[in-house]
Amino acid sequence: AQKVTQAQTEISVVEKEDVTLDCVYETRDTTYYLFWYKQPPSGELVFLIRRNSFDEQNEISGRYSWNFQKSTSSFNFTITASQVVDSAVYFCALSEAEVGFQKLVFGTGTRLLVSP
Amino acid sequence: SQTIHQWPATLVQPVGSPLSLECTVEGTSNPNLYWYRQAAGRGLQLLFYSVGIGQISSEVPQNLSASRPQDRQFILSSKKLLLSDSGFYLCAWTAGEYNEQFFGPGTRLTVL
Repeated sequence: AQKVTQAQTEISVVEKEDVTLDCVYETRDTTYYLFWYKQPPSGELVFLIRRNSFDEQNEISGRYSWNFQKSTSSFNFTITASQVVDSAVYFCALSEAEVGFQKLVFGTGTRLLVSP
Repeated sequence: SQTIHQWPATLVQPVGSPLSLECTVEGTSNPNLYWYRQAAGRGLQLLFYSVGIGQISSEVPQNLSASRPQDRQFILSSKKLLLSDSGFYLCAWTAGEYNEQFFGPGTRLTVL
């Protein structure tokens, strides 16, 4: 069975600090996808990134970066120079590799609080 | 561009009353549609998914049902709400080559 663990329930940082959100996953599939979503206070989930299991290259998008390591089954998310607007709940998710249709298994989320 | 709508945005209902939540998608055809529930302070649980009109798959046994009367419309219903049905309900879609799910704004349901 697939499982996603986000051990950090809540993280508090001060603006401009770097912060890393951890995600550990379990799957028996050799091909799968990993995702990160952001849920701001409004509630809507915002898609951040998708990574397939064959691509272990780290990715950087502005202040956001992702570190995918199959050896440790981890897909960690780092925010550099955090801002108050980054305050949200962040979810890591996993799905089987089926184009167009997939069931997402979500972690329980990490609440990030960035104070000025 | 594609957009997804949900209504109502918030709802307060008494125990035992019926429920109907609606989700519609614009700008795409034949999407796969999903209903999730997020209980307070918790992760998302997949409730139902649909790959086409009239095709519904249920993930967990529960007090709820889903229907897909049109290609881009997905409805979540209950005949009699329970207190445990309270939560934040999110609709999502995928289509074509993309397999990231895009979510609607959600409906916050409180059952009293």
